[in-house]
Amino acid sequence: KNEVEQSPQNLTAQEGEFITINCSYSVGISALHWLQQHPGGGIVSLFMLSSGKKKHGRLIATINIQEKHSSLHITASHPRDSAVYICAVRDSNYQLIWGAGTKLIIKP
Amino acid sequence: DSGVTQTPKHLITATGQRVTLRCSPRSGDLSVYWYQQSLDQGLQFLIQYYNGEERAKGNILERFSAQQFPDLHSELNLSSLELGDSALYFCASSPVGTGTGELFFGEGSRLTVL
Repeated sequence: KNEVEQSPQNLTAQEGEFITINCSYSVGISALHWLQQHPGGGIVSLFMLSSGKKKHGRLIATINIQEKHSSLHITASHPRDSAVYICAVRDSNYQLIWGAGTKLIIKP
Repeated sequence: DSGVTQTPKHLITATGQRVTLRCSPRSGDLSVYWYQQSLDQGLQFLIQYYNGEERAKGNILERFSAQQFPDLHSELNLSSLELGDSALYFCASSPVGTGTGELFFGEGSRLTVL
């Protein structure tokens, strides 16, 4: 079993839908990252969380340390949100453990 | 623009050859991380440098080596290249070395080995 599990692996939705991507982990962490990788390959850091909730535009990230779970939400989704969303956690040795990614396609 | 610069963006070479990938971190960032992403695969951590010193090592092959220079730019050297080394190689920088800081990624260097 991987230490960082993302679900779903693939998600296709219609423009305007509310999107949720989940990340569960099994190790103690110091922080959790959400990143976005566009089809061209570039990677952008979206959030770094150690507790609670963060919001940036239409993106919201939450983390529940007790349940070892984080969610990334996208409100009013748009085709330009189509990308791979990656969850990564920093373990107690400060090493990053990467999830496999969730491929999101938003259809117009 | 993340502030992290990687060169070259694309590189095509033959098996057995050697290449050098270069990364300039964001101004002031002391940590540089190298990652490999093969086709349809996740990111594989290769190595981290902090202020010129190797800080952590991941799944880096012996044919690969890296270093961070006094001006904090880093180079990843790949030698005796094999077809399976074809991948996107990402560099990321962070202000701190303990891994508590945010990561900023370069655009990647796409290596094709023929």
